[in-house]
Amino acid sequence: GDSVTQMEGPVTLSEEAFLTINCTYTATGYPSLFWYVQYPGEGLQLLLKATKADDKGSNKGFEATYRKETTSFHLEKGSVQVSDSAVYFCALRTASGSARQLTFGSGTQLTVLP
Amino acid sequence: DVKVTQSSRYLVKRTGEKVFLECVQDMDHENMFWYRQDPGLGLRLIYFSYDVKMKEKGDIPEGYSVSREKKERFSLILESASTNQTSMYLCASSPGPPWDEKLFFGSGTQLSVL
Repeated sequence: GDSVTQMEGPVTLSEEAFLTINCTYTATGYPSLFWYVQYPGEGLQLLLKATKADDKGSNKGFEATYRKETTSFHLEKGSVQVSDSAVYFCALRTASGSARQLTFGSGTQLTVLP
Repeated sequence: DVKVTQSSRYLVKRTGEKVFLECVQDMDHENMFWYRQDPGLGLRLIYFSYDVKMKEKGDIPEGYSVSREKKERFSLILESASTNQTSMYLCASSPGPPWDEKLFFGSGTQLSVL
């Protein structure tokens, strides 16, 4: 079945450091890929998405590129801020999927220190 | 902005009690979802509904049931709560197809079963 594997956390960085959170997936067909973010005390919200190979999703300084050859969708940001402290979830939806077929990774806790 | 409201932020119940978790969305969305979130396991889908009175099992439906009598409201029911149902419960909604539309999440209910 479909699955998403994220790098284990927690990740602790200093402000202005470079961030990479690795995400790889296993899926049949050609899935759409997503990053969701959960700030403390809040529900998840969509951060960015990519729907086909080589697409780059970007938002709020975060980027991720859909790499079909390596089945990866790594999240990057050049300079993190304290306000980026949150849990980040990688997710996929298969191309033939119904509403239910959204598979989440286990989440990566990021803490950014001033 | 879409709002997904979960009735309680924290809930403490006893083993064997019947528990109702309520969720309301205000954007006339077709689809509604219940997930549980556990450390290291990410989000797992319990049930979803794609229309009033329609429901489908997710990945972990055992011990749960749902009700959707009105489009805006989706209830999760624990018929006889057990300690292994202690978790964070997240409700989400989304419009109909295309399925790349994002999910809108509530802020969650932390349920403790003693």
